[in-house]
Amino acid sequence: GQQVMQIPQYQHVQEGEDFTTYCNSSTTLSNIQWYKQRPGGHPVFLIQLVKSGEVKKQKRLTFQFGEAKKNSSLHITATQTTDVGTYFCAGVPRSSNTGKLIFGQGTTLQVKP
Amino acid sequence: ETGVTQTPRHLVMGMTNKKSLKCEQHLGHNAMYWYKQSAKKPLELMFVYNFKEQTENNSVPSRFSPECPNSSHLFLHLHTLQPEDSALYLCASSRISVSTDTQYFGPGTRLTVL
Repeated sequence: GQQVMQIPQYQHVQEGEDFTTYCNSSTTLSNIQWYKQRPGGHPVFLIQLVKSGEVKKQKRLTFQFGEAKKNSSLHITATQTTDVGTYFCAGVPRSSNTGKLIFGQGTTLQVKP
Repeated sequence: ETGVTQTPRHLVMGMTNKKSLKCEQHLGHNAMYWYKQSAKKPLELMFVYNFKEQTENNSVPSRFSPECPNSSHLFLHLHTLQPEDSALYLCASSRISVSTDTQYFGPGTRLTVL
């Protein structure tokens, strides 16, 4: 079936280091959304990308949508302890007739102070 | 954030019990969702309701029974569950049920089936 894979599954970084998580789909996507879930919390929407090759920034976070609309990345510059959590990507396959979001497994980020 | 609330926050039940999870959204949205979040697995969509009508049932076992009496409330009725049903159950809502809409999640109900 249609899948959205994220790598790495876990990442430990020293505070101040950069962090990147990658999202890869087995099929072309209509759009991709990113969510963050803090430990013990619930997913919170961060951003949505729709256009091929789109890049969006939110302060230290940079989001990219690949040219082929099959992959995406989230890059955090100079991580802080507040960045700790699990980052999920979620996309809708272009072939979908239900518009159902398919979530990746998430990348859990730990930041050592 | 109090846009989407869920009760109870924690639930422990035996396999023969019947219980219900409740979700309420205060955002004026028309679409509501149930997700299951298990350890080391992606979020699994269970049900979607759009304007009170069920539009998605993602092959969920019949021991899970959803109910959506109005656009603001969503229930998940549970009966004869299995230990592997233990998970975090998340409710979400969006303006309408289209792929480009942001979903707002509730805090979840942590369910343990003994």
